[in-house]
Order: sequence, then C-alpha cells, then structure tokens
Amino acid sequence: DAGVTQSPTHLIKTRGQQVTLRCSPKSGHDTVSWYQQALGQGPQFIFQYYEEEERQRGNFPDRFSGHQFPNYSSELNVNALLLGDSALYLCASSSGWRNNEQFFGPGTRLTVL
Amino acid sequence: RKEVEQDPGPFNVPEGATVAFNCTYSNSASQSFFWYRQDCRKEPKLLMSVYSSGNEDGRFTAQLNRASQYISLLIRDSKLSDSATYLCVVNPAGGYQKVTFGTGTKLQVIP
Repeated sequence: DAGVTQSPTHLIKTRGQQVTLRCSPKSGHDTVSWYQQALGQGPQFIFQYYEEEERQRGNFPDRFSGHQFPNYSSELNVNALLLGDSALYLCASSSGWRNNEQFFGPGTRLTVL
Repeated sequence: RKEVEQDPGPFNVPEGATVAFNCTYSNSASQSFFWYRQDCRKEPKLLMSVYSSGNEDGRFTAQLNRASQYISLLIRDSKLSDSATYLCVVNPAGGYQKVTFGTGTKLQVIP
C-alpha cells in the first residue's frame, strides 16, 4: 500500500522563476492539503483540495496556486519565487474532507537562490 | 496571540525520565486536537489524537483542557528513540481541515 508520494525530493530555483510540485495521495484518499515548513517552524497550511476544488486556503499570496486531478493527485505551483519561499513543502492526504487524520508525504525541499 | 503556541525547548531529559509538553490554543471553538512527531528532516507522523476524556497509548498520555484551552502530552520512561520534535495540531470547528500546527517542541533523550 503506497503512502503519500511527492516529487521532486529536492529543487533549486532562482528568484523570479516558477515551480511545480507534485503529490500523489495515499491509496483510498481523496483529499490533499499542502503545507510550507520553514526551518525551525511548524508546517503552515497553504490550501486543501477536495473534489478537484480548492476548499480552504491559508494566508498565502496568489502566487501560490494548485490543482487536483480526477485521480486525486495534486500540484502546487509557485510563481515569481522569492528567497523566502525556500522551505520544505509537505503534502498530506486524508479520506474525506471531514476526516482529520492526515498522512504526510516526505516533502519537497525547495531552495531559492 | 498565536493560534497555537508551544514551548520550543529543547527539553533534554535522561533515559527513563517522564517529560510533559503543553500546547495552548486561542480559538475556543476548536474541535479536534492531535500530537504529531517529526524526526529531523522527515515528515510529521501522527502520534495520537487527543480526546476530551484523555487518552493513553503505551507510554504516551494526551489530555485536553478546554476550559484553559490547552492540550498536553506526557511521555513516561523516555527512550532514546523518543528524541524528535513534537508538534501539536488544532483543527477549528467547521469540518474543513484547516489545521494549525504549533512550532513544535524539541525533545532530546540523553543516555
């Protein structure tokens, strides 16, 4: 039973570039949430996707956008990268939008130079 | 005031010790609460949910105090393998999973 997978594992970009991160949820899960975790901080909620729609959003600018596909996988896009976007980006999946138990993927470590 | 606050630590304790972490939250309407464990440079993993009546899982006990708006995690007989960062998580009312993580408390169990 595959858990949550994310790609790529590491990424280096320069300021102003755009990046796309990918997530496949755990088998049987239909809800995907994205988090940003800066060094020494707890994960910060970016947004959540359920039924291919963004259902909730945290305090992140419009430069952060996402998508969910019919197979429940998801993408996180960040435009006009800033140095401060350097962080670990975590994807978490769950079964149903009311289910609170989330399973996290290993994350994508993004470095912006 | 932050939505969820934790003492960042680090807590350095000897093997076999009992250690407790608290986590306070500001939204009195919060509905569900969790403790996650995160090892260095790894993803968070669910340790346990926190129920109103308190709950225990082996050496770990979690409690919720709604009146004072805090949750706690007690670890008995600490093991070296318990060394990690412990994140408390609060889920507001409404059902959607806009969970809020604390910044985490770092625990280092010393031989």
